[in-house]
This record gives sequence, C-alpha cells and structure tokens, in this order.
Amino acid sequence: KAGVTQTPRYLIKTRGQQVTLSCSPISGHRSVSWYQQTPGQGLQFLFEYFSETQRNKGNFPGRFSGRQFSNSRSEMNVSTLELGDSALYLCASSLARAGVDSPLHFGNGTRLTVT
Amino acid sequence: DQQVKQNSPSLSVQEGRISILNCDYTNSMFDYFLWYKKYPAEGPTFLISISSIKDKNEDGRFTVFLNKSAKHLSLHIVPSQPGDSAVYFCAAVSYNTDKLIFGTGTRLQVFP
Repeated sequence: KAGVTQTPRYLIKTRGQQVTLSCSPISGHRSVSWYQQTPGQGLQFLFEYFSETQRNKGNFPGRFSGRQFSNSRSEMNVSTLELGDSALYLCASSLARAGVDSPLHFGNGTRLTVT
Repeated sequence: DQQVKQNSPSLSVQEGRISILNCDYTNSMFDYFLWYKKYPAEGPTFLISISSIKDKNEDGRFTVFLNKSAKHLSLHIVPSQPGDSAVYFCAAVSYNTDKLIFGTGTRLQVFP
C-alpha cells in the first residue's frame, strides 16, 4: 500500500506570493492533518480534515487555509507569504480520528523556503 | 502556550545502554499519548502509545511510562542501537478535541 505522498518536495517562493501544497493520503484513510515543523518549535498543528470538512484548526493566521476533496486528497494554501513561513510542512493521514483511534501516518513533507 | 514539552533538545547514549526520553504536559484533559520517531528527510513514524488509564506500555525494546500525577511520560529504549539515532517527538491528544499536540522533539544519538 502506497504511503502518504506530498508534492512538491521543495519550494522556493518570495515574500508576498502564495503557495499551494498537495497531499495524497493512504488509500482508505479519511482524515488528513497538516503540521508545520520549524527548529525549536516542534510540530505545530495547522488543521485536520475529515470527509471534506475541517474538523480541527490550530492557532495559525487566516493566511493558512486548506481543503479536502472527495477522494480524500488535501491541499494547503498559504497566501501573502512571510519569511517566518519557511518551514517543513507535513501532511499526515489516518483511518479515523487522528491520533486517537488510529496513529497518524506522515508523508516526507514539503520544504518551503521564503526569500 | 506549549502544552507538551520536551525539555532536553538532545541526548547522547552509548550503544547497548538505556536511552530515556522525557516529556511533560500541562493539560490534564489529555487521554492518550504517543511517541513518534523522525529520521532526516522523512516524515515522523509512529512508535508506541499509551492510554491515560495505563501507566506502562511495552513493545519490544521500547517502553513508555506515564505518571499522571506528575503529568510526565517517558520513553525507555533498551538496549539502544545506532539505528535508533533520530528525533523523537511525544504527542498528546484529548478525546474531546481530537487535536494531536506534539512536543518540540529530542534528538537522540546512539554512538558505538
């Protein structure tokens, strides 16, 4: 069974631009979560989608948004990029409730660099 | 507000010895705790978990201990192997919120 796939692996953008990251979950997984990893901050929760609905949201500004499609694939969008948005963005999928009923399975992440 | 804290950013242990990674949390509503391991250029992978109704869970060389009164959990790796060298994240979740909160991670290095 294929794992969680994130595209692209690397991105370089300039301040003020917007970016869209993509995530394809493991087949059959209905929950997709997004995390931001920066040095010293660990994994910061962005949001979780389940059956196309946002079920949970972290403490990030409205510039960060996401969506989930009927095939469970998910996209994350960041508008008006800032230097501080440079990070590794990780997507994770699970069968049901993230972390409680089933462990998260992570992709290898998208490394975003904002210059 | 960091609800899950890993106060040791790094740990170095000799091969064959015990590695003990610590994690503290502030939210008494957390019901379930997990440990993830992350190698460079890869996403984290699930390692072991424990429910708040237990105080110990064991899986091979890995044991997680939970002390609810102290709001503290630890991961023991015995014996440590060079392949265990990675960043370890603890995480906690409440059944009420379903929001999985991660700590900042501890980089474990196991040397021969």
